[in-house]
Amino acid sequence: QTVVTQEPSFSVSPGGTVTLTCGLSSGPVSTSYYPSWYQQTPGQAPRTLIYSTNTRSSGVPDRFFGSILGNKAALTITGAQADDESDYYCVLFMGSGISVFGGGTKLTVL
Amino acid sequence: EVQLLESGGGLVQPGGSLRLSCAASGFTFNNYAMSWVRQAPGKGLEWVSGISVSGGSTYYADSVKGRFTISRDNSKNTLYLQMNSLRAEDTAVYYCAKGVIVLMVYATGFDYWGQGTLVTVSS
Repeated sequence: QTVVTQEPSFSVSPGGTVTLTCGLSSGPVSTSYYPSWYQQTPGQAPRTLIYSTNTRSSGVPDRFFGSILGNKAALTITGAQADDESDYYCVLFMGSGISVFGGGTKLTVL
Repeated sequence: EVQLLESGGGLVQPGGSLRLSCAASGFTFNNYAMSWVRQAPGKGLEWVSGISVSGGSTYYADSVKGRFTISRDNSKNTLYLQMNSLRAEDTAVYYCAKGVIVLMVYATGFDYWGQGTLVTVSS
């Protein structure tokens, strides 16, 4: 069974930089998995941040940056703001139409 | 403006059925693959099912395979999810999501989401 791994929680200081990662139990993540990233606050629908590894969705500020770091997909947030405090999910496309979400990272800004 | 509006959620008994709908507007519906994603109370997001632009290819998570059926009516700009043999663990908010890349067979990511519809499976 394929497992997509994310840090359960992370904290960042206001104005700071944080990098969240998205790994795969079966091996390295590459652009072939089309990693994408979503932000969600409680009670709200997800908001798309990044798709296809590093393409920012419409209206997403350039403080959010997607990449491959080592053998994982990564979401870097620079100049962290209070309203960045959210849950962040990655998704990997496994081929044959199947996608798998990571368990999510709860980001605290303090 | 892209809009996705889900409907059809509600309370259903274990073993029962429900059909969700997602009305799409603001984009050329038949140019994009679509998916359903769910979120159980207090839990993370789970991809449930996807469908190609024509509707000719469908894909399912193992957790729903054989019980759920995804379909689309491109003439009505509407996505559906027929859910049968429902279980307590299917209780969740169900979101429809639009694929990011035009005319791609699968949704390799999602750029727009609906607000979700709540399905509660309980006796």
